[in-house]
Amino acid sequence: SSELTQDPAVSVALGQTVRITCQGDSLRTFYASWYQQKPGQAPILVIYGKNNRPSGIPDRFSGSSSGNTASLTITGTQAEDEADYYCNSRDSSGNHVVFGGGTKLTVL
Amino acid sequence: QVQLVQSGTEVKKPGSSVKVSCKASGGTLSSHGVSWVRQAPGQGLEWMGGIIPIFGTTNYAQKFQGRVTITTDGSTSTAYMELSSLRSEDTAMYYCARDVDGMECTGGSCVNNYAMDVWGQGTTVTVSS
Repeated sequence: SSELTQDPAVSVALGQTVRITCQGDSLRTFYASWYQQKPGQAPILVIYGKNNRPSGIPDRFSGSSSGNTASLTITGTQAEDEADYYCNSRDSSGNHVVFGGGTKLTVL
Repeated sequence: QVQLVQSGTEVKKPGSSVKVSCKASGGTLSSHGVSWVRQAPGQGLEWMGGIIPIFGTTNYAQKFQGRVTITTDGSTSTAYMELSSLRSEDTAMYYCARDVDGMECTGGSCVNNYAMDVWGQGTTVTVSS
């Protein structure tokens, strides 16, 4: 079982805003990172740290955190954003890594 | 920009071992950790373990302790993941990824951050008799 908890599925209308959440004790000491994975592809990093986007990631992706909960927000969701999204962080010991179970985002 | 290039598809018998490689192209692995992550068909991402090449230190998920060995070869900037005593449940896609550890400080308050910023393309391992 994952030590980070995500909703299994979320849907959003095209062009609207969606928030995907991730909960876990480790998020009190580590920022979560977020990954997008499309079918048949390797995951890619979309948000890391407080709210940082790697080069090439659109600015409609943003991150935030409060207490033990991290959130990934997509503003003006596009059809190409339909994918699985995973959060991760180091665990509370700092030696291991934990993943959330993933959220399947459907764009309607 | 560094890329991670993994070895090809593997088909193994139950009880055997598999060794997957992950070569850094356009850079080296020495200044970052490397993690191995697997994904069973239709399932989520699962961290198996990682290594810090500059120190040679490893950490493994408890689930894989005793069955997985992660190593690096600095001369070729290649990381390896060997999984032994294979069973059908080990059938999965195996990824390597570069670890980035850091800290962000705002107004005197600092928080740790961690990310896997570069991923290999994945290696399919099928375990079947």
